[in-house]
Amino acid sequence: AQKVTQAQTEISVVEKEDVTLDCVYETRDTTYYLFWYKQPPSGELVFLIRRNSFDEQNEISGRYSWNFQKSTSSFNFTITASQVVDSAVYFCALSEVGSNFGNEKLTFGTGTRLTIIP
Amino acid sequence: DSGVTQTPKHLITATGQRVTLRCSPRSGDLSVYWYQQSLDQGLQFLIQYYNGEERAKGNILERFSAQQFPDLHSELNLSSLELGDSALYFCASSVDARVNEQFFGPGTRLTVL
Repeated sequence: AQKVTQAQTEISVVEKEDVTLDCVYETRDTTYYLFWYKQPPSGELVFLIRRNSFDEQNEISGRYSWNFQKSTSSFNFTITASQVVDSAVYFCALSEVGSNFGNEKLTFGTGTRLTIIP
Repeated sequence: DSGVTQTPKHLITATGQRVTLRCSPRSGDLSVYWYQQSLDQGLQFLIQYYNGEERAKGNILERFSAQQFPDLHSELNLSSLELGDSALYFCASSVDARVNEQFFGPGTRLTVL
């Protein structure tokens, strides 16, 4: 069964500091997708990134970057020069493809609440 | 704005009642997913429909049911409500039956008193 672990329940950093959110996953499939979503105080879920299991290249998008390491089953998310608007709950999620082609679901971690202190 | 709409935004009801949550997917999306977010269970997948047919089931209680209509909107029916059903219910949609990129609606917050 697939599982996603976000060990950090809450993190607080001072504005402009860098912060890394950890995500460790478990899956028996060789083909899967990993995701990060942001849930601001308003409650909606905002898609941030999708990465498939064959693409281990790190990705950078502005102040956001993601480090995918299959060897450690981790997909960590770093925010550089954090801003107050980054305060939110961040969820890591996994979807197995494998034998479940066309029958996929997202399994979410428990989320990390990030607070940026002005 | 993801393009996925959900109504109502808030719903307050009593134990034992039945409610219906509605979701309209993004234009062109054939697949609809329902998720429940509660304090004790976190974000959990409930059920998926693709082009009108049930495709996958998660941790959905027997008191809950869903359907997707020919115009592709979906409804989640929750009956015999209990206090523990209080949660944020999200609908998401994607182009096909694959979960490549789900877009989430704003959610319906259900409070059972």
